[in-house]
Amino acid sequence: GIQVEQSPPDLILQEGANSTLRCNFSDSVNNLQWFHQNPWGQLINLFYIPSGTKQNGRLSATTVATERYSLLYISSSQTTDSGVYFCAVEPGSARQLTFGSGTQLTVLP
Amino acid sequence: DAGITQSPRHKVTETGTPVTLRCHQTENHRYMYWYRQDPGHGLRLIHYSYGVKDTDKGEVSDGYSVSRSKTEDFLLTLESATSSQTSVYFCAISESNSYGYTFGSGTRLTVV
Repeated sequence: GIQVEQSPPDLILQEGANSTLRCNFSDSVNNLQWFHQNPWGQLINLFYIPSGTKQNGRLSATTVATERYSLLYISSSQTTDSGVYFCAVEPGSARQLTFGSGTQLTVLP
Repeated sequence: DAGITQSPRHKVTETGTPVTLRCHQTENHRYMYWYRQDPGHGLRLIHYSYGVKDTDKGEVSDGYSVSRSKTEDFLLTLESATSSQTSVYFCAISESNSYGYTFGSGTRLTVV
């Protein structure tokens, strides 16, 4: 099956700092999503981004499908950004999401 | 999330007992999924459905069964719960040509 690798596994920032999270995948995809799992366990859909660039406030994402990677940018981080960020992909051959292992982000006040 | 609810939110059960988790959607989406989340393993697919009475196995389906008799409901059953099935279970929905998958709030299941 498709492999999804996220880096870094852990990231600690001071409030106000910027960060970049990376997702590499091993095959072509129909769908790529970024999720934020908050400290209460909820999975929040951040971006649906199989290709191209999108922005939503302080967050933006870019997927380069031909090179099989995606980046999530967080600018001016806040303590409420803390949690786990997951990248998940849906390969061209199947209608099911495969998740990476996540990046644990901690933003310190 | 709006349009998808899981019940119960929390459950404690004894080893060997049957357990059924329910996922209900109001979005009329074709596809429904059950995932489990465990420390060190991320989210893994258990079973999914691509229509009423149409289901298939995922990566970690052993010990689980599913049923979908109506578009809006997808049930996950543990026929005889084991301690290894202690986990957080998430339901998700999606539709062809949509904007991705939407997840429910999860069910925390503890098997003692």
